This record gives sequence, structure tokens and C-alpha cells, in this order.
Amino acid sequence: KAGVTQTPRYLIKTRGQQVTLSCSPISGHRSVSWYQQTPGQGLQFLFEYFSETQRNKGNFPGRFSGRQFSNSRSEMNVSTLELGDSALYLCASSFSSATGELFFGEGSRLTVL
Amino acid sequence: GQQLNQSPQSMFIQEGEDVSMNCTSSSIFNTWLWYKQDPGEGPVLLIALYKAGELTSNGRLTAQFGITRKDSFLNISASIPSDVGIYFCAGQDSGNTPLVFGKGTRLSVIA
Repeated sequence: KAGVTQTPRYLIKTRGQQVTLSCSPISGHRSVSWYQQTPGQGLQFLFEYFSETQRNKGNFPGRFSGRQFSNSRSEMNVSTLELGDSALYLCASSFSSATGELFFGEGSRLTVL
Repeated sequence: GQQLNQSPQSMFIQEGEDVSMNCTSSSIFNTWLWYKQDPGEGPVLLIALYKAGELTSNGRLTAQFGITRKDSFLNISASIPSDVGIYFCAGQDSGNTPLVFGKGTRLSVIA
């Protein structure tokens, strides 16, 4: 069974640019969550999508957005990048988020210069 | 918002030693989970706990859900080099709510 796939794995952007990250969940999983991981703050919840609907949203500015497609694949977008957006962005899928048992991808490491 | 206090932040141990780490919260969680993250990888679920007082093992790992619902601990017995990594606790308030993660315990094992 293929795991969670995130692309790209690494990317470098400059301040003010925007970025789109992609996540393909495990087949059959309908819930996709996104987390931002930084050394100082650990894993911070961004948002969760279930059946194409945003079900939960974390405490991030509106520059951070996401969506989920009918095949459960998800994308997140960050506009007007800031230096502080440099982080590892992790996607996690689950059949449902009721149990808290998440399956994480390897992450997309974003560096903002 | 909800926060989890995980300790210690880091630990260096000799191979073969036992390890203990814990997580506390000021609020109640109804599910506690422990994840491990290897370098360059995403976190992987180790143990999930769903009932206060529950004690669950997974090989050399043992975790407990505190009876107050505000804490959990993870023990690793007879550590080996592949135990190296960052261990995260996570709490879930109720079904379909986001996990709240601790900041992690970085474990180093000296052979």
C-alpha cells in the first residue's frame, strides 16, 4: 500500500512569492491534514480537509490556504511568503480523523530567502 | 489554545538503558498518541491510547494514559541505536478534532 506522497520535497522561494504544495493521501483515506513543523514551535496544525470540505482550521493567517479534490488529493498554498514561513510542511492522511491515527508524508521543506 | 508540555527536551543515553519521557497538559484529552520522527521522515505512529488508565505496549515500548486525562508517558526498554529520533506526544480532545502535539523529545543513543 503506497504511503502519503508529498511534492515537492524541497523548494526555495524568495519573500513575496507564493508556493503550492501537493499531497496524495493513502488510497481510501478521505481526511487530509496539514502541519507546519519548525524547530522552535514543533508541529502546528494548519487545516484538515474531509471529502473536499475544510473541517478544521488552525490559527494561521489567511495567506495560508488549502483545498481537497474529489480524489482526496490536497494542495496547500502560501501567498506573499515571509522569512518565517520557512519550515517543513507535513501532510497526514487518515481514513477518518476520529481516532487521531495519522499517516504522515515525508514533508516538503520550504526555505524562504 | 491547548498546549502539551513534553519533557525532557533531549536525552543522551547508553545503548541498553531504559528511557522514560512524559507529556502533560493543563486540559483534558480523550486520546493520547505517541509518534516518532526519524531524520528526513515524517512522524510515525507508535502507540495510541483511548482510555484513561490504559497501559499499552508495542514491543519494547510501553505507554500509559494518565487517569486524570492530563498526562501520558512513554517508556522504551533496552534502547538500541535505531531508537534515535524525535518522539512526539499528541492529544486529541474528541473525534475529528485536530491533534495537538508536544514539542518533542530528541533521543540520542550512544553505542
